[in-house]
Amino acid sequence: DTGVSQDPRHKITKRGQNVTFRCDPISEHNRLYWYRQTLGQGPEFLTYFQNEAQLEKSRLLSDRFSAERPKGSFSTLEIQRTEQGDSAMYLCASSLARVDGYTFGSGTRLTVV
Amino acid sequence: DAKTTQPNSMESNEEEPVHLPCNHSTISGTDYIHWYRQLPSQGPEYVIHGLTSNVNNRMASLAIAEDRKSSTLILHRATLRDAAVYYCILRDVQTSGSRLTFGEGTQLTVNP
Repeated sequence: DTGVSQDPRHKITKRGQNVTFRCDPISEHNRLYWYRQTLGQGPEFLTYFQNEAQLEKSRLLSDRFSAERPKGSFSTLEIQRTEQGDSAMYLCASSLARVDGYTFGSGTRLTVV
Repeated sequence: DAKTTQPNSMESNEEEPVHLPCNHSTISGTDYIHWYRQLPSQGPEYVIHGLTSNVNNRMASLAIAEDRKSSTLILHRATLRDAAVYYCILRDVQTSGSRLTFGEGTQLTVNP
């Protein structure tokens, strides 16, 4: 068990470009979550998958954001036409049961210039 | 999700116990109390959770008031590595799905 892995750790992109992040959860965890965190704030929920089904999406997840978990294993989060306001840490987490604690990855730090 | 109130910051000395308070006066019967902590430049780390009874694990203890309107996270012997932001979160798995709603947390400073 290597924990939750996120790739890349850092990404610098120009405004208007598309970016994609990957998350590999703990292998036996069927629940996967994406959060976003800006400096000095707590993480904010973006979306949640149970297996391959996306069951919940935050209003923060605008049309430019899309998340997938095609085979119920790894997940990707894509941001199209990035804006400077998208600069943040994007965190992925996974869990096994509904009441369990999450295991978070170390996050992907996105900087839009 | 019901709201929690935590002090913005607390200080402790190394090797002393730390009691981190959390108020949640509007807690509902199906809210679990979760604690996470976040070290600089890392993702949050699960610490402990409970519903009604006090809970202990290798990291900490969670003391829950009898009326459940407050709780306290107890670190029995603080180390420098315990310096982090500690988040107290109520999680109603019946109505809010699986999301965690983080507040601003308590910044714990541990002095050597």
